[in-house]
Amino acid sequence: GENVEQHPSTLSVQEGDSAVIKCTYSDSASNYFPWYKQELGKGPQLIIDIRSNVGEKKDQRIAVTLNKTAKHFSLHITETQPEDSAVYFCAATSYNQGGKLIFGQGTELSVKP
Amino acid sequence: DGGITQSPKYLFRKEGQNVTLSCEQNLNHDAMYWYRQDPGQGLRLIYYSQIVNDFQKGDIAEGYSVSREKKESFPLTVTSAQKNPTAFYLCASSIQGLDEQYFGPGTRLTVT
Repeated sequence: GENVEQHPSTLSVQEGDSAVIKCTYSDSASNYFPWYKQELGKGPQLIIDIRSNVGEKKDQRIAVTLNKTAKHFSLHITETQPEDSAVYFCAATSYNQGGKLIFGQGTELSVKP
Repeated sequence: DGGITQSPKYLFRKEGQNVTLSCEQNLNHDAMYWYRQDPGQGLRLIYYSQIVNDFQKGDIAEGYSVSREKKESFPLTVTSAQKNPTAFYLCASSIQGLDEQYFGPGTRLTVT
């Protein structure tokens, strides 16, 4: 089955710097890759996603890139702000997974003012 | 105001008791999911349902049971057979199996 590895587990940046979180997946049939942000004590919130027919997607300060050949995808946050501090999860799934999301282990991002 | 609601936010139970966690959605989504989250870890799938009156086991279904009698509701029962029930439980829903999943606020269950 699918396996998703996420790195780093913790990331600390200065306000205004960029942050990059990387994930690798094992199932070449995976074709949907969402990213979630989870604040303390709350449910995860979908922040951006990408499907396998595109290589990059951007939404304001957030972007996701996908390399299908290498089977990895990354989240890029530019001009980080203290409110970006949270735990970020990547996930992957495909039609033959029945829509079951397989999550990475999470990255705790800390943005220092 | 559409969304997913989970109740209660905090739940305390004694060991050996069954407990049912509520999940309701008014998004008209077909698929619903239950995940378990332990401290410092990712989300693990317990059960999921893609249509009313049908559900499948996820990766860690042992000690849990579900029902899907209505499209809007997908309650999860944590039975006394679950060896380590203390965790944060998250419910999610999506329009179809491959679409975006939207999460509820979660229920933190503590069993002592």
